[in-house]
Amino acid sequence: EVQLLESGGGLVQPGGSLRLSCAASGFTFSSYALTWVRQAPGKGLEWVSSISGSRGSTYYADSVKGRFTISRDNSKNTLYLQMNSLRAEDTAVYYCAKNFDWLSYSPFQHWGQGTLVTVSS
Amino acid sequence: QSALTQPRSVSGSPGQSVTISCTGTSSDVGGYNYVSWYQQHPGKAPKLMIYDVSKRPSGVPDRFSGSKSGNTASLTISGLQAEDEADYYCCSYAGSHVVFGGGTKLTVL
Repeated sequence: EVQLLESGGGLVQPGGSLRLSCAASGFTFSSYALTWVRQAPGKGLEWVSSISGSRGSTYYADSVKGRFTISRDNSKNTLYLQMNSLRAEDTAVYYCAKNFDWLSYSPFQHWGQGTLVTVSS
Repeated sequence: QSALTQPRSVSGSPGQSVTISCTGTSSDVGGYNYVSWYQQHPGKAPKLMIYDVSKRPSGVPDRFSGSKSGNTASLTISGLQAEDEADYYCCSYAGSHVVFGGGTKLTVL
């Protein structure tokens, strides 16, 4: 059974940093692309970033490019999202998702339960 | 990276059919056959319902179907059931990035 468990969320001040983690199990981690999707309170889903399953190519939404970094540690079966220069508009539940295959644009087949990030002074 | 356009809400009675539209551009929906649909119940994580425009993942009832014409994709739910009441999001590949629709709230009357 595929399991994705996010951690690392919390309250951070504007301009601060946070690193999210997503521990995965139940599949061959290195073979699949992985994605972060966020959802602001009461709002819709927003794609944040994806990393492919082969060469680890990375892709970002314009809203986070230059501030967020996605990475993966295939030896630890863990996905990360380093978030710097955080803004109030980054406040959201952040979901980790396993893509359908190694392609970064393949559909998001399995989702974690999410971790809440709140950016506020 | 503009969001795809969905109606904010749709409704239908049990047993009826409803269709949710998702309008993009030739740079996303119209340019690729990589449209997917997600169902989200309140307080829960999204669930993949349709991918590659019209394919259903294992376990998704065949009451759910997808299609596309030009820059508009559609999700049709036939034989509505109470448990179908949820938010639905379309999603499309847009060449080096991905874009979601704003979401549609489905109410089963």
